[in-house]
Amino acid sequence: AQTVTQSQPEMSVQEAETVTLSCTYDTSESDYYLFWYKQPPSRQMILVIRQEAYKQQNATENRFSVNFQKAAKSFSLKISDSQLGDAAMYFCAYRSAYSGGGADGLTFGKGTHLIIQP
Amino acid sequence: EPEVTQTPSHQVTQMGQEVILRCVPISNHLYFYWYRQILGQKVEFLVSFYNNEISEKSEIFDDQFSVERPDGSNFTLKIRSTKLEDSAMYFCASRYETGDNEQFFGPGTRLTVL
Repeated sequence: AQTVTQSQPEMSVQEAETVTLSCTYDTSESDYYLFWYKQPPSRQMILVIRQEAYKQQNATENRFSVNFQKAAKSFSLKISDSQLGDAAMYFCAYRSAYSGGGADGLTFGKGTHLIIQP
Repeated sequence: EPEVTQTPSHQVTQMGQEVILRCVPISNHLYFYWYRQILGQKVEFLVSFYNNEISEKSEIFDDQFSVERPDGSNFTLKIRSTKLEDSAMYFCASRYETGDNEQFFGPGTRLTVL
């Protein structure tokens, strides 16, 4: 079974600064997808960014980028120019690319609570 | 922009009662999911549903739980004989066909079992 570990329960960053959230995972599969989801106080889960394991290029979405190290099984999220609206819980998630004829659910980490200091 | 909707937003029930949580996935999506998040804990996968049958379920999804797609739009999670530990946020999600692997989440239903 796959596991996802987020070792930082809480992170704090000054507004406009850059912060990196860590995520490691364990899998024996070679093809999979990785995601970062944001959960603001409203508790709605919002996709921030995703990465396909077969792609070597790191995904980027505006101020959000990832550092994907497949050999190290590491998938960190970098948020540049942090804004007050970035304050939320951030969850790293894994999904197998081998759906086995059906659909696989996401495996989530425990989350990192990101605080933005004005 | 299309979105996943869930009703009710908050459900309060007595222990031992049955509850049905409702979801309307995005209309052209084919894969449907339920997740659970106990307060302060991580989101946990419960079940996935495709082509009118369960395609995968976790060990949490025991005989107490069932899912159904009663018509072309709704996707329901039934919890029989609720227990205190079933209190949680329940999220529905849906995904389009292969090639698009993003799961779109609904806003969740907060279930409180008293």
